[in-house]
Amino acid sequence: QAQLVQSGGEVKKPGASVRVSCEASGYSLISYGITWVRQAPGQGLEWMGWISGKNGHTEYAEKVQDRLTMTTDTSTNTAYMELRTLRSDDTAVYYCARASAGFCTNIGCYRLAYNGMDVWGQGTTVIVSS
Amino acid sequence: DIQMTQSPSTLSASVGDRVTITCRASQSISNWLAWYQQKPGKAPKLLIYKASSLESGVPSRFSGSGSGTEFTLTISSLQPDDFATYYCQQYNTYSSTFGQGTKLEIK
Repeated sequence: QAQLVQSGGEVKKPGASVRVSCEASGYSLISYGITWVRQAPGQGLEWMGWISGKNGHTEYAEKVQDRLTMTTDTSTNTAYMELRTLRSDDTAVYYCARASAGFCTNIGCYRLAYNGMDVWGQGTTVIVSS
Repeated sequence: DIQMTQSPSTLSASVGDRVTITCRASQSISNWLAWYQQKPGKAPKLLIYKASSLESGVPSRFSGSGSGTEFTLTISSLQPDDFATYYCQQYNTYSSTFGQGTKLEIK
């Protein structure tokens, strides 16, 4: 059974960085992409970006693209999300989710949840506070 | 970015009711839309993808329809387990956006 298990909660000071891991089991990361979604307290879902498990190609939301890096380690079947220069409004629960792209060209990848985001991690709480 | 607008923001209904949630896109997204259910403290759960394809294991009382800019999620007969928040998500391009959510409450 496919499963994503995320790392534990973090408390960070403004200006610091945070790295959240997402370990896949029951399937190979190479066969799918991983999307990162966050949810601020009491708020809705915010799409942050997507990474191909096959070749590491990334697509980031404009809002965070200057501070965000997504990577994968296929040897451990794990995806990572690093967010830098943290601010108080980055306080949120961060989720990873499995998602395939519809297609990719040499420019980019499209339809980044082709069959929906069907497997989700349990969420990682990141609190940014001085 | 494509903006997604859900309505209503809150919906009060009773067990057995038929309910419909609407999601509108700021530009055409063909049928590249998914619906998710989220309960407090839990990760979202995929219900529908490609506007009308039912995810495996999701009860058939859930259905999705629409294309272009207007989409609906219908629950044919509400069950106690269905009271939750529902989100639509568009994924037409190299990015993606969610609607703001619809909270389905017990009347």
